Amino acid sequence: GENVEQHPSTLSVQEGDSAVIKCTYSDSASNYFPWYKQELGKRPQLIIDIRSNVGEKKDQRIAVTLNKTAKHFSLHITETQPEDSAVYFCAARYSGGGADGLTFGKGTHLIIQP
Amino acid sequence: EPEVTQTPSHQVTQMGQEVILRCVPISNHLYFYWYRQILGQKVEFLVSFYNNEISEKSEIFDDQFSVERPDGSNFTLKIRSTKLEDSAMYFCASSGQGEGYQHFGDGTRLSIL
Repeated sequence: GENVEQHPSTLSVQEGDSAVIKCTYSDSASNYFPWYKQELGKRPQLIIDIRSNVGEKKDQRIAVTLNKTAKHFSLHITETQPEDSAVYFCAARYSGGGADGLTFGKGTHLIIQP
Repeated sequence: EPEVTQTPSHQVTQMGQEVILRCVPISNHLYFYWYRQILGQKVEFLVSFYNNEISEKSEIFDDQFSVERPDGSNFTLKIRSTKLEDSAMYFCASSGQGEGYQHFGDGTRLSIL
């Protein structure tokens, strides 16, 4: 089955700086890669996702890049703000139009220092 | 924006007892999922459900677990004989036709004593 590795486990950055979180996946059939943000005690919320037919996607301060050859994808947050502090999870799945489960990474605790 | 709703928010149960966790997926969604998250750990896939049957299940989803869609709106997860290690947050999720994005509910915190 799929295995997703995520690094780092904790990331502390100064407010206004950029943050980068990296994930690798094992199953070359995976074609859908979402990123979820989870605040303490709350539900995971999708912040951005990317499919394997594109290499990069951007939404305001958040971007995701995908390298299919290396089976590697990354989350980039620019101009970080205190409200960006949370745990971020990457995930991967094969999306064939059916009910395929997500395989999550272990999460990155992002701390924005004021 | 429509949401996935889960009840109860917190369930406390004695070890060995049966528990049913309830979910109301987004109304026009066709695919339903259960995940669990042990405190401080990653979210783990349990099972997916489509067209009134299990589509995929993980090795965690053993014989003590079952899922059901008893009517047109509810989706339930039953744990037959709970163990201490079943203590976790259980998330329900749903997705629409051709949509990769899975919408998560707020979760049910299950505590086994």
